[in-house]
Amino acid sequence: EAGVAQSPRYKIIEKRQSVAFWCNPISGHATLYWYQQILGQGPKLLIQFQNNGVVDDSQLPKDRFSAERLKGVDSTLKIQPAKLEDSAVYLCASSQLTGEAFFGQGTRLTVV
Amino acid sequence: AQRVTQPEKLLSVFKGAPVELKCNYSYSGSPELFWYVQYSRQRLQLLLRHISRESIKGFTADLNKGETSFHLKKPFAQEEDSAMYYCALIQGAQKLVFGQGTRLTINP
Repeated sequence: EAGVAQSPRYKIIEKRQSVAFWCNPISGHATLYWYQQILGQGPKLLIQFQNNGVVDDSQLPKDRFSAERLKGVDSTLKIQPAKLEDSAVYLCASSQLTGEAFFGQGTRLTVV
Repeated sequence: AQRVTQPEKLLSVFKGAPVELKCNYSYSGSPELFWYVQYSRQRLQLLLRHISRESIKGFTADLNKGETSFHLKKPFAQEEDSAMYYCALIQGAQKLVFGQGTRLTINP
């Protein structure tokens, strides 16, 4: 089966600019996660969707980050405006209702 | 709130030596625990989960509810085991939370 697809792989932007990341989960997976992984740290959950509804977004900085999963399939994560501390790898993962999470390759964001 | 703690950021052992990567958790309910691994230039992937009680690539992990631990063990390390290892916990509506990770290096 095809894995979780993410794009772009790399992105460099200046602070205060906007950026968007895209994720296409494994077909049939109801749960979709977005994680932020800062260098040297473990993945931090930003937002979790179940189909097209938000299950948890308690650690999403809502003043600048937004995410949507229209139609319960693919998802976009946006940062507007970006700050230097947003430099990280953004990971998307998907899973069935009870099962392991499958991860994409991630998008490495550098904010300069 | 649930929390996963991996006390060692770095662990280095010689090939053939035993390996133990520590993981402690705090969670009031009945947790489901996992070990994920990330090899160099590869994506994060599941290594094993406690409910399956199986050995993967020679690794095992036992859930100790009394000590709230889920340590990962392998009796004889191999060079290809060098990677980042993350302990993770899932609760409730599939909220998956990770520890900070341990970088394991196997020396020849």
